[in-house]
Amino acid sequence: AQSVTQLDSQVPVFEEAPVELRCNYSSSVSVYLFWYVQYPNQGLQLLLKYLSGSTLVESINGFEAEFNKSQTSFHLRKPSVHISDTAEYFCAVTWSSGTYKYIFGTGTRLKVLA
Amino acid sequence: EPEVTQTPSHQVTQMGQEVILRCVPISNHLYFYWYRQILGQKVEFLVSFYNNEISEKSEIFDDQFSVERPDGSNFTLKIRSTKLEDSAMYFCASLPRTGTGEAFFGQGTRLTVV
Repeated sequence: AQSVTQLDSQVPVFEEAPVELRCNYSSSVSVYLFWYVQYPNQGLQLLLKYLSGSTLVESINGFEAEFNKSQTSFHLRKPSVHISDTAEYFCAVTWSSGTYKYIFGTGTRLKVLA
Repeated sequence: EPEVTQTPSHQVTQMGQEVILRCVPISNHLYFYWYRQILGQKVEFLVSFYNNEISEKSEIFDDQFSVERPDGSNFTLKIRSTKLEDSAMYFCASLPRTGTGEAFFGQGTRLTVV
């Protein structure tokens, strides 16, 4: 069965330090991959997506993620975090066939410390 | 920019009551979904809907749940007899066509069963 694993439930990091949030998936078919950010009591905001093409994707607020097919990973990185990046981050996967449902990881709580 | 709209944003209901959560997907989209997020947990797939019928449902989506697209614009989730454990954030999503992979999520309805 397809699944998404976010091994780190919480990641504390100091402001202006780099961060990596890990995401691994299992699938035997082509996938689309996403990162969502969720602030307390709010909805899901799409941060970035990999649909096809370049394996390195970037967001407008400095996050990037790299699709690594051989390692079945889609880790999220930011070279320098801000206090405002404190939130829950969810990795999600869907497939290029079927019902296009999303499978979400369990989330990583990023806490940026002053 | 078109968006998925969910109403109400927050609903409180008594245990055993029926509740209907409403969603207006983006107008030219073809695939529709409901997801659930229990507080502090990950987002879980409930059901997908295509061509006026359920295309896939999870084990969570039991006989208490039903979905409908009554008028070509609204997409509803009905819970027949709510339980305390139905308290969660419910997200509606829609997808434009095959092959794109990117679903658009609404801001969610927070359902509180008391």
